[in-house]
Amino acid sequence: SAVISQKPSRDICQRGTSLTIQCQVDSQVTMMFWYRQQPGQSLTLIATANQGSEATYESGFVIDKFPISRPNLTFSTLTVSNMSPEDSSIYLCSVGEGIPSGNTIYFGEGSWLTVV
Amino acid sequence: AQTVTQSQPEMSVQEAETVTLSCTYDTSESDYYLFWYKQPPSRQMILVIRQEAYKQQNATENRFSVNFQKAAKSFSLKISDSQLGDAAMYFCAYRGPGTYKYIFGTGTRLKVLA
Repeated sequence: SAVISQKPSRDICQRGTSLTIQCQVDSQVTMMFWYRQQPGQSLTLIATANQGSEATYESGFVIDKFPISRPNLTFSTLTVSNMSPEDSSIYLCSVGEGIPSGNTIYFGEGSWLTVV
Repeated sequence: AQTVTQSQPEMSVQEAETVTLSCTYDTSESDYYLFWYKQPPSRQMILVIRQEAYKQQNATENRFSVNFQKAAKSFSLKISDSQLGDAAMYFCAYRGPGTYKYIFGTGTRLKVLA
């Protein structure tokens, strides 16, 4: 499976600021996704990062709050804008191999954001 | 809508013993995929095992195996010869046909006792 690297690993952010998380994959992948994991909770899909076009957002997530870029097949960024304490979460980048016809998604190490 | 339920928030097992984690799901589809992911304290989600619904044979990966009961919509994970490194959150996940969207359960925290 692909090696997925995320930056930052962890950060403490001030309320009202924005932070951009980077996701780098060591090979070209078709599908890239961003998930959120709130403290003690399960994973929720934020959006699919589409190469060369606007991301596809899931219900409850909007572009103004979570702008996503995907300039090529190995890189994506997620920005968490105008942060509030409710945005304190682990944000996970994932890539899909063989989707939708096949198989599996793999995850980066996650970025743990705490908003104070 | 599809749902995934993990009814055991926490489980404990003695080192070298066997433990089974439960997962049930609800779907009207006949062809789908099921997964178990492990999330250790390092936070990275790691694929443990996957099962294609069209396969009757239960998937096995070394010490990890599943009991897939399609009619009952049950997908349990058995960990044999438990090791301290198995301590983690375990998430069951479902993916329907022709979609990239995964639905995750709420997780089971597994503690391994020395």
